[in-house]
Amino acid sequence: DAGVIQSPRHEVTEMGQEVTLRCKPISGHDYLFWYRQTMMRGLELLIYFNNNVPIDDSGMPEDRFSAKMPNASFSTLKIQPSEPRDSAVYFCASSPYGGQAAEAFFGQGTRLTVV
Amino acid sequence: DAKTTQPTSMDCAEGRAANLPCNHSTISGNEYVYWYRQIHSQGPQYIIHGLKNNETNEMASLIITEDRKSSTLILPHATLRDTAVYYCIVKGANSKLTFGKGITLSVRP
Repeated sequence: DAGVIQSPRHEVTEMGQEVTLRCKPISGHDYLFWYRQTMMRGLELLIYFNNNVPIDDSGMPEDRFSAKMPNASFSTLKIQPSEPRDSAVYFCASSPYGGQAAEAFFGQGTRLTVV
Repeated sequence: DAKTTQPTSMDCAEGRAANLPCNHSTISGNEYVYWYRQIHSQGPQYIIHGLKNNETNEMASLIITEDRKSSTLILPHATLRDTAVYYCIVKGANSKLTFGKGITLSVRP
């Protein structure tokens, strides 16, 4: 398996523009997680899905952020409108099942810069 | 989920064992201890996890104390490529991995 695949790897956009980040989880994994990493706040969990259904979105910072998982092999994280403070590395991860004993595997991340 | 406490940084010589400590004094009976690492500019990488028994895989060993209030990750023969931030995480039934600041391991030649 190729692992968790994220695209694009780098994104530079202007303030106010819509940004869409994409993630393909590992085939057969039922759980998908979106994280954001900044120097100030470290790695933060934004939202996670189980079987394509959002379970916990308490980490989503504002209504400008939305995430969808239309099928088991694809998820998007959208920011509209984007702001400079959204600049960060966004990671997607997937896990074969939930609970305490399941490890999660991370993609290589998308580095977002909003100017 | 229980919180963890790790030193900010440590270093070790290449070829020697690296022992990374972690305190998790409030861990509850059904929570697992996980270790991840993040090499610069890459996504976090799973290393190992355990409940109460010691665990070993091709990457590392995890030693959990009998009272489960602390653990140690052991990299038996550290290489320069092991230089990274290592995160000790306690994971409960809610499936979430909550990352702290981690410990920066520097392996010196």
